[in-house]
Amino acid sequence: DADVTQTPRNRITKTGKRIMLECSQTKGHDRMYWYRQDPGLGLRLIYYSFDVKDINKGEISDGYSVSRQAQAKFSLSLESAIPNQTALYFCATSNYNEQFFGPGTRLTVL
Amino acid sequence: GENVEQHPSTLSVQEGDSAVIKCTYSDSASNYFPWYKQELGKGPQLIIDIRSNVGEKKDQRIAVTLNKTAKHFSLHITETQPEDSAVYFCAAERNTGFQKLVFGTGTRLLVSP
Repeated sequence: DADVTQTPRNRITKTGKRIMLECSQTKGHDRMYWYRQDPGLGLRLIYYSFDVKDINKGEISDGYSVSRQAQAKFSLSLESAIPNQTALYFCATSNYNEQFFGPGTRLTVL
Repeated sequence: GENVEQHPSTLSVQEGDSAVIKCTYSDSASNYFPWYKQELGKGPQLIIDIRSNVGEKKDQRIAVTLNKTAKHFSLHITETQPEDSAVYFCAAERNTGFQKLVFGTGTRLLVSP
């Protein structure tokens, strides 16, 4: 079984809809992250959490919110999706030495 | 804040050739520089990293060099193989251990048989 899982893997939605992307991990790590990947822009940090009670904004948090429901679960929400949020979204966890990424969620906002 | 630039954006080589990807960073306080490889349809995976107290690190066919004075670091892949084809990302971090990385924009490497 994969250590970091993301659901859904693909999602098409319409402008204005609320959508939640979910991430679960079995690695036992306290630190979790959400990134978006766009062609030519690399990976940009949206939010990160160093433990269940800790939530921090990243480089591009506007239009997004997160919830850390448990050590193993970290969800990303788009309250009112817009087309420029179309991207590939990655969840990651880390120990002190490296980050472990999930397989990604491809989100399309029409 | 930190800014990481990565070049080239695409790189095509013949199998057996060497490949070099270069990154520059802006924050002189950055002290941790990992490289991630992303295969098609997958998330990035760490392949090698270097900390600011060393100038070079090798792991089989891959090596990373760091020039702190010039604020740049490079990934070197020797004897490239088709399975090396992927997108490679460099990253930088100011405080080792927090894993709050700033990534470069990626290099798509294509190794032709």
